[in-house]
Amino acid sequence: ETGVTQSPTHLIKTRGQQVTLRCSSQSGHNTVSWYQQALGQGPQFIFQYYREEENGRGNFPPRFSGLQFPNYSSELNVNALELDDSALYLCASSLGYSANYGYTFGSGTRLTVV
Amino acid sequence: GENVEQHPSTLSVQEGDSAVIKCTYSDSASNYFPWYKQELGKRPQLIIDIRSNVGEKKDQRIAVTLNKTAKHFSLHITETQPEDSAVYFCAPYSGGGADGLTFGKGTHLIIQP
Repeated sequence: ETGVTQSPTHLIKTRGQQVTLRCSSQSGHNTVSWYQQALGQGPQFIFQYYREEENGRGNFPPRFSGLQFPNYSSELNVNALELDDSALYLCASSLGYSANYGYTFGSGTRLTVV
Repeated sequence: GENVEQHPSTLSVQEGDSAVIKCTYSDSASNYFPWYKQELGKRPQLIIDIRSNVGEKKDQRIAVTLNKTAKHFSLHITETQPEDSAVYFCAPYSGGGADGLTFGKGTHLIIQP
């Protein structure tokens, strides 16, 4: 059974640029959720993808967008990067669209915006 | 939305002693109560969870207790070991659909040798 993998592991971008982060879900999991974790804080829900559609979103602006592919892998795109976007971005997969199925997290992508 | 508070923010215990972390929440509709462990530089991992129809659940040295009336649940770790050193997050959940988890700010557990 493969776990959740994320790429890249680290990334440095300049303010105003765009970034794409990638996530492969655990085998058998059909739902992918994305979280932002600032230093010293708990993860914050960005959005969730189920059956290739966004079906839940947290308090993040539209410049945060995503995709899910037929193999359940997912991308997170962030446009017009701001300094405050610097954080660890975590992808989590689960068996179903409800969070009470339990998440398996990836190791994250550390994004630094300068 | 859900307001989640964890106490204490930092907890230092001697190896072999017990540790208790408390999580209070605001949404009375919450029905799923997980605890995640995040070691330094690593991914969060689900270590134990409980649903609202159960008052207590135990898995070897860890347990979770739930008080729905008072809207809090607690993580109990007995016979602490160095590998228990980590940040622990609670994330009570009330959504029946596609809402994400609302995580607390975390408790940094330090096991002193």
